[in-house]
Amino acid sequence: RKEVEQDPGPFNVPEGATVAFNCTYSNSASQSFFWYRQDCRKEPKLLMSVYSSGNEDGRFTAQLNRASQYISLLIRDSKLSDSATYLCVVNGVYNQGGKLIFGQGTELSVKP
Amino acid sequence: DGGITQSPKYLFRKEGQNVTLSCEQNLNHDAMYWYRQDPGQGLRLIYYSQIVNDFQKGDIAEGYSVSREKKESFPLTVTSAQKNPTAFYLCASSMGTGTGDEKLFFGSGTQLSVL
Repeated sequence: RKEVEQDPGPFNVPEGATVAFNCTYSNSASQSFFWYRQDCRKEPKLLMSVYSSGNEDGRFTAQLNRASQYISLLIRDSKLSDSATYLCVVNGVYNQGGKLIFGQGTELSVKP
Repeated sequence: DGGITQSPKYLFRKEGQNVTLSCEQNLNHDAMYWYRQDPGQGLRLIYYSQIVNDFQKGDIAEGYSVSREKKESFPLTVTSAQKNPTAFYLCASSMGTGTGDEKLFFGSGTQLSVL
């Protein structure tokens, strides 16, 4: 089992749609969780951290389910500009410097 | 403005040649990282450093070397031992583990190709 695994893409949705991505992680001791956005051949940029109680930033909502070891990202009212690859990032083995483990990414394409 | 600068943006390597990718940050971050990204795949950790003069191997360190002589700088050398070096290389930094803030900030990347 991969340490961090994301929904395989791509997701093709029309503008205005609601889309959700899931990400599972294998290390139950993981403490930090993030969603990053990456445009083609550019660097990843932090979209949002994921907190235990869940958090919202405008059209984006992130949730954490520790019991089932997954995090999710919900995008409401999709815009063309949301088209990108979304990376799930999880804190790895803590006593090895807390290195962050990246999922393989889920590609989103929003169409007019 | 504070940030991370990677150079060059594009780099070509000849057979048997060592090449060095530059990474400089002025964010006063303690931790720095090198990742490799292949098409359609996630980022894989090559090396990381949590403090000056110390660094650790990541998941795919073979064929690579690093140094951390200054807090601001973390260059990566792709040696001739790395048989498949063509990839997009990303440098990142963070305040460091144990700070409660592990968010990574990335440079704009270097695309390395083999001639």
